[in-house]
Amino acid sequence: KAGVTQTPRYLIKTRGQQVTLSCSPISGHRSVSWYQQTPGQGLQFLFEYFSETQRNKGNFPGRFSGRQFSNSRSEMNVSTLELGDSALYLCASKYASGNSYEQYFGPGTRLTVT
Amino acid sequence: QKEVEQNSGPLSVPEGAIASLNCTYSDRGSQSFFWYRQYSGKSPELIMSIYSNGDKEDGRFTAQLNKASQYVSLLIRDSQPSDSATYLCAVNTNSGNTPLVFGKGTRLSVIA
Repeated sequence: KAGVTQTPRYLIKTRGQQVTLSCSPISGHRSVSWYQQTPGQGLQFLFEYFSETQRNKGNFPGRFSGRQFSNSRSEMNVSTLELGDSALYLCASKYASGNSYEQYFGPGTRLTVT
Repeated sequence: QKEVEQNSGPLSVPEGAIASLNCTYSDRGSQSFFWYRQYSGKSPELIMSIYSNGDKEDGRFTAQLNKASQYVSLLIRDSQPSDSATYLCAVNTNSGNTPLVFGKGTRLSVIA
């Protein structure tokens, strides 16, 4: 089975611009979560989508938004970019079976805001 | 606030030794526990999951869970330089409908 894929892998943007990142989960996985990883803060949860609905949301400003399509692919958007948005953005897909589940990460998108 | 605590390290062990990584969590209702390995510049890779008290072994890795003491640990036997990475502990309260809470990770360095 193919793993989680993310595009683009690297991105350089200027302050004030907006950006859209894409994620395709593992086939059959319906849950997609997004995380921001920075050296100082570690992995921080942004939001989770399940069957096209936002199921959970982290503590990020409204500039961060996302959506999920009927084929489970997901996008996240960051508007009005700030220097502090520079980070590795990770997408993860999750498969649940009974009381157990596993979450797998994609390779990430490295966003640099200048 | 649900918290997952890990010693940031670095934890240095000689090649061939046992590396012991520890993690404590604050939410007593936590039910699912995971260990991820993250190499520098790469994304986290799931290496172990554990749901019940006791030990779970997979190759050179053993996860240990003690819910009464609210800690979970990862033992790496016969440590190799290729095991040098940051190990992230992740915890979840229920069966997967809420997000994983991650610790900040422990950096492991295996010295040849």
